[in-house]
Amino acid sequence: DSGVTQTPKHLITATGQRVTLRCSPRSGDLSVYWYQQSLDQGLQFLIQYYNGEERAKGNILERFSAQQFPDLHSELNLSSLELGDSALYFCASSVGGVTEAFFGQGTRLTVV
Amino acid sequence: EDQVTQSPEALRLQEGESSSLNCSYTVSGLRGLFWYRQDPGKGPEFLFTLYSAGEEKEKERLKATLTKKESFLHITAPKPEDSATYLCAVSGAGSYQLTFGKGTKLSVIP
Repeated sequence: DSGVTQTPKHLITATGQRVTLRCSPRSGDLSVYWYQQSLDQGLQFLIQYYNGEERAKGNILERFSAQQFPDLHSELNLSSLELGDSALYFCASSVGGVTEAFFGQGTRLTVV
Repeated sequence: EDQVTQSPEALRLQEGESSSLNCSYTVSGLRGLFWYRQDPGKGPEFLFTLYSAGEEKEKERLKATLTKKESFLHITAPKPEDSATYLCAVSGAGSYQLTFGKGTKLSVIP
C-alpha cells in the first residue's frame, strides 16, 4: 500500500458526460501528479500541483482540469468525454518536486 | 524535452535465468532516475532512485545501475513473481514531472 488513495476505482460513463476523479496523497506529501495510461501508451503526464499551486502542465486537454485543495487532496475533472478518453488515470504524490513519487491504484475510466 | 527509451519491449526468462533491462535517457541536467514495477491494472510501485553516474542500488534480486546516458536493471535468478512491467522514469533540471519510458514487460517462466 503506497498510502495514496484514489476514488473511484472504476467508472463507466457515456460520451459527452463529465466526471471527477479524486486523490488523497500520502501524509506529508505536498506534490500531487496526475497521469493517464492508455493500452498502447506509456504513462502520460497531465498536471502537477505543489501545495495548492499548479506547478507543471503536460499534455492535458482543455476539456480536463484539476485542482489541489487546502487539505492537499486533488481532483481531476474530465468533461465532454470521448471514447478515446477511456484509460487508467493515476495520481501520485511526493514530498517535493524532485523526489520519488508514489502512485495510487488508479481509476479505470470507461467511456461508452 | 526529456526522453526515455526502454529495451527490450518484452522479455521472457526461465526461472533462474539472469538478465538485464535497459533504460536510455536524454535529459537536461539529471535530477534523478527512477525505477518502478507495475502489475497489470495496478499502480506503479516504486523500486529505486539513482542520482548520479556510478551509483548502484539493490533490493532482493534486483540491482539498478546508472551511467551518464543509461541505466540498467539487473535481475538475478528471477522467480515467477518477478513477472511485471518495469518502468524507468527521469526528472530533469527545470522539470518537475517524471517522464516515463514505455516499459519492459518481463515474464518469468517456471
